[in-house]
Amino acid sequence: DAGVIQSPRHEVTEMGQEVTLRCKPISGHNSLFWYRQTMMRGLELLIYFNNNVPIDDSGMPEDRFSAKMPNASFSTLKIQPSEPRDSAVYFCASSSSPVSGNTIYFGEGSWLTVV
Amino acid sequence: GQQVMQIPQYQHVQEGEDFTTYCNSSTTLSNIQWYKQRPGGHPVFLIQLVKSGEVKKQKRLTFQFGEAKKNSSLHITATQTTDVGTYFCVNQAGTALIFGKGTTLSVSS
Repeated sequence: DAGVIQSPRHEVTEMGQEVTLRCKPISGHNSLFWYRQTMMRGLELLIYFNNNVPIDDSGMPEDRFSAKMPNASFSTLKIQPSEPRDSAVYFCASSSSPVSGNTIYFGEGSWLTVV
Repeated sequence: GQQVMQIPQYQHVQEGEDFTTYCNSSTTLSNIQWYKQRPGGHPVFLIQLVKSGEVKKQKRLTFQFGEAKKNSSLHITATQTTDVGTYFCVNQAGTALIFGKGTTLSVSS
């Protein structure tokens, strides 16, 4: 069974450009999470969806960040306009029904560099 | 959700030495999960602890959940170079997992 699939794996973009990160969760999982990892801040939860509905977006840093989940098999995280401080690894993760103790499966991450 | 505190932040050991990382919370945890992230990789689930005083083993790794369910530990016996990476203890807040800063382990041969 395929794991969580993210694209692109690596992206280098110029400041001010729009960045779109994509994620395909594991089939059958109905919770999806976006995390951001940096050396300074560690692994931060940005937003999570349950059954395609955003449940908690309090971790989204500012209005430049937006996330969507139009269907159960696809989600996007968009940064517009991007800034150098957005450089990080962005992980998408998914899990099955959100009962206590669900395991989260991570994708391999999208390594974003904004210059 | 409450982020758990993990110590130490970094640890370097010689291959063959033991290693322990500790996780503490000011509030009672419903459960705790442990993940490992290899350098350049993504976090991978290791184990979940649910019961007070629970102890689980995976080969050279021993996981414990405190009696009061406010702390947990991971102990690695006789470390190997394959053990390098960052170990996270993770608190569940609602349906989301809140990661701490983790303990980064380096092992020299």
